[in-house]
Amino acid sequence: DVVLTQTPVAQPVTLGDQASISCRSSQSLVHSNGNTYLEWYLQKPGQSPQLLIYKVSNRFSGVPDRFIGSGSGSDFTLKISRVEPEDLGVYYCFQATHDPWTFGGGTKLELK
Amino acid sequence: QVQLQQSGAELTKPGSSVKISCKASGYTFTSYDISWIKQRPGQALEWIGAINPGSGGTGYNEKFKGKATLTVDKSSSTAFMQLSSLTPEDTAVYYCARKDYWGQGVMVTVSS
Repeated sequence: DVVLTQTPVAQPVTLGDQASISCRSSQSLVHSNGNTYLEWYLQKPGQSPQLLIYKVSNRFSGVPDRFIGSGSGSDFTLKISRVEPEDLGVYYCFQATHDPWTFGGGTKLELK
Repeated sequence: QVQLQQSGAELTKPGSSVKISCKASGYTFTSYDISWIKQRPGQALEWIGAINPGSGGTGYNEKFKGKATLTVDKSSSTAFMQLSSLTPEDTAVYYCARKDYWGQGVMVTVSS
């Protein structure tokens, strides 16, 4: 199975700061059709996860442009510029290139 | 608007089975795969499997083969997941998701 390793496990931030989360895959996430099915989700406390980014860098409808996904192959990053209170929670990367689909272990974005 | 409405919490005994539902509305049910995801208390997300409501075709995480069975009822736009031979390790919140939209989750508690 593809293992997605997220770092850091916890990211203490001050509101207004930039935050960066890394997601490294145990193998390339480039599908045979040329697409890279790497997504990012945010799970706020007590809520279901919500989709932020799909296919590495595409923001889902309504997601603010302070969320930026980047990367290629097996190395991916989610950057959040100017962290706001509603951005706090646990971030997960997810791959749907290889069966079985897998999630990273999560990164908790929390206040310093 | 797109909604995935899941059934209520379940309290069940070891060795039993449970069937939880996910009723879709606001879109054409047969046009999008439905995934099921497990989240144990305080833990990361695990992808269980997915079903294509149009064809009934399924894909499972090997870890959940024999544990989870995915089905749909097209007439009611509802997806189902049956969990069998339950143990305390199956205690978790179970989500259905269209990736871009998620159900609210169902808490399944297995306890004698």
